[in-house]
Amino acid sequence: EAGVTQFPSHSVIEKGQTVTLRCDPISGHDNLYWYRRVMGKEIKFLLHFVKESKQDESGMPNNRFLAERTGGTYSTLKVQPAELEDSGVYFCASSQDTFTGELFFGEGSRLTVL
Amino acid sequence: GQSLEQPSEVTAVEGAIVQINCTYQTSGFYGLSWYQQHDGGAPTFLSYNALDGLEETGRFSSFLSRSDSYGYLLLQELQMKDSASYFCAVIHYGGATNKLIFGTGTLLAVQP
Repeated sequence: EAGVTQFPSHSVIEKGQTVTLRCDPISGHDNLYWYRRVMGKEIKFLLHFVKESKQDESGMPNNRFLAERTGGTYSTLKVQPAELEDSGVYFCASSQDTFTGELFFGEGSRLTVL
Repeated sequence: GQSLEQPSEVTAVEGAIVQINCTYQTSGFYGLSWYQQHDGGAPTFLSYNALDGLEETGRFSSFLSRSDSYGYLLLQELQMKDSASYFCAVIHYGGATNKLIFGTGTLLAVQP
């Protein structure tokens, strides 16, 4: 069974440009989460989808970030326009059950904004 | 809001036992999980405690005390491959949704 896959693994862009990160969750997992880790800090929650619906987007930093989940399958996270402080590793995770404490993470997309 | 505290770094030798503590402050607490992350890669699930007490999985054990808002991860018979970052995470239940809130992680260095 394929795990959570993320693309691209690394992206380097200039301030003001746009980047779109993609996540393919494990097949059949209704719950999909986006997290971000900035160097040395916590893995910070961004948002939670259940199927195609946003259940909680309280962690999204501002309106430069837009997440979508088409048909309850893959998800995209767009940053437009990117700022220097957006640099970090963006992790996607999925799960079938939200109450077991177990999320399946992808390898992350490392974003560097210059 | 929610907050978790864990030591930033721990060093131990092969074959030893190490305990990584985690204290938390959160509303809507549902349970405590532990994750391992090697070299900035995908965090991987280690254990989950919803009730007070000790859960054992091979060389790893995890403990929770809900009354003390405290938990720990115990790693026994340390191996070099255990060198990694370890994160505690609380399941925050917010009604219609729940999510994992992570700490800042503990970097474990296992020395020969």
